[in-house]
Amino acid sequence: DTGVSQDPRHKITKRGQNVTFRCDPISEHNRLYWYRQTLGQGPEFLTYFQNEAQLEKSRLLSDRFSAERPKGSFSTLEIQRTEQGDSAMYLCASSSLASLANEQFFGPGTRLTVL
Amino acid sequence: KNEVEQSPQNLTAQEGEFITINCSYSVGISALHWLQQHPGGGIVSLFMLSSGKKKHGRLIATINIQEKHSSLHITASHPRDSAVYICAVRSSGTYKYIFGTGTRLKVLA
Repeated sequence: DTGVSQDPRHKITKRGQNVTFRCDPISEHNRLYWYRQTLGQGPEFLTYFQNEAQLEKSRLLSDRFSAERPKGSFSTLEIQRTEQGDSAMYLCASSSLASLANEQFFGPGTRLTVL
Repeated sequence: KNEVEQSPQNLTAQEGEFITINCSYSVGISALHWLQQHPGGGIVSLFMLSSGKKKHGRLIATINIQEKHSSLHITASHPRDSAVYICAVRSSGTYKYIFGTGTRLKVLA
């Protein structure tokens, strides 16, 4: 399968712990997005990478959140000192610069539960 | 008030009915997307619009830039169309996407 993959699919952690999620986009997709989705809501934009450059970051991305895409391929999203309010589905999507429609392909998400 | 509003929030239809889902936005945009999300979270992109109208199978999407409004229509609805339909706009001059809260559609056989 050559779709967007995310790991882990589920993560349960205790408040105060650090967690890291990984996203592997579709090969050769230059664009990579991270979103957060809570129950009953639409996704919220967190950050955008074009190749390895982080070009935009939401104000939602507090200083406890950091994202990287060091080689322009996979990306990681780290949350430090997790809080119960961080519990959500974290979605990754990728698209190609060559796509005029910027059709985004979404991964299955990582569901985070902070106890 | 959300920058992207969808209506209705919930919709139940009988199989075969014509369905319309609406999206209104208050920001300048460079593009509007319609997405489909099934239970369990999987999201699929349906359309990207910057003007006019697009059709794919039984799905039709329209956008009116002046009125800042888009509609998604489903003709001859089927139970497999049951999902959450989400409108998302790309804010002008940014890479940021703003999403509506979704319309939960249930089509009964």
